[in-house]
Amino acid sequence: ETGVTQTPRHLVMGMTNKKSLKCEQHLGHNAMYWYKQSAKKPLELMFVYSLEERVENNSVPSRFSPECPNSSHLFLHLHTLQPEDSALYLCASSQDGYSGEQFFGPGTRLTVL
Amino acid sequence: EDQVTQSPEALRLQEGESSSLNCSYTVSGLRGLFWYRQDPGKGPEFLFTLYSAGEEKEKERLKATLTKKESFLHITAPKPEDSATYLCAVQATNRDDKIIFGKGTRLHILP
Repeated sequence: ETGVTQTPRHLVMGMTNKKSLKCEQHLGHNAMYWYKQSAKKPLELMFVYSLEERVENNSVPSRFSPECPNSSHLFLHLHTLQPEDSALYLCASSQDGYSGEQFFGPGTRLTVL
Repeated sequence: EDQVTQSPEALRLQEGESSSLNCSYTVSGLRGLFWYRQDPGKGPEFLFTLYSAGEEKEKERLKATLTKKESFLHITAPKPEDSATYLCAVQATNRDDKIIFGKGTRLHILP
């Protein structure tokens, strides 16, 4: 595997389900990011981890819970989501924390029923 | 308030028809401006970083330029494979280095 990988690529869940999104970067980077991408809206930064420490939490509802066990892996735990949470969730990494030169994964297309 | 505005929202060009995409920004201090390309069903792909007014970067048919208020992505003699959404992002020094993305320009090159 190379670059940034995300699993699953597609996810359909009910409002009462609990699921997790996984991201792995194979670039030796020190920072990882979660973004939400909705139609007609700019990319919304959700969380930033630098050296496994969370450095940014952009007022994201608590039904989204990130986890960064090491510098190569990032998870987004989902529970009790709402239909408006349906979107493309993108993971990215960068060499250092809070760099604008980021490498993105292909995303997870999430649909909440 | 810091803002990034991209125009046009969508652009259709004939193959070989050169044009420019605009990214205007309002930040108190610019640390960097970034251009990305995003193909349908994929994550954004990093293209360029610009740091100061007057700077230019080139890659194949793309050239990015920067002034104190805006950046342009010039596309020369585009081909159908240049069709994508182009995203601009700005990193501001006055907001804890936050990165703000624009909504993007959807570019479609007709053969």
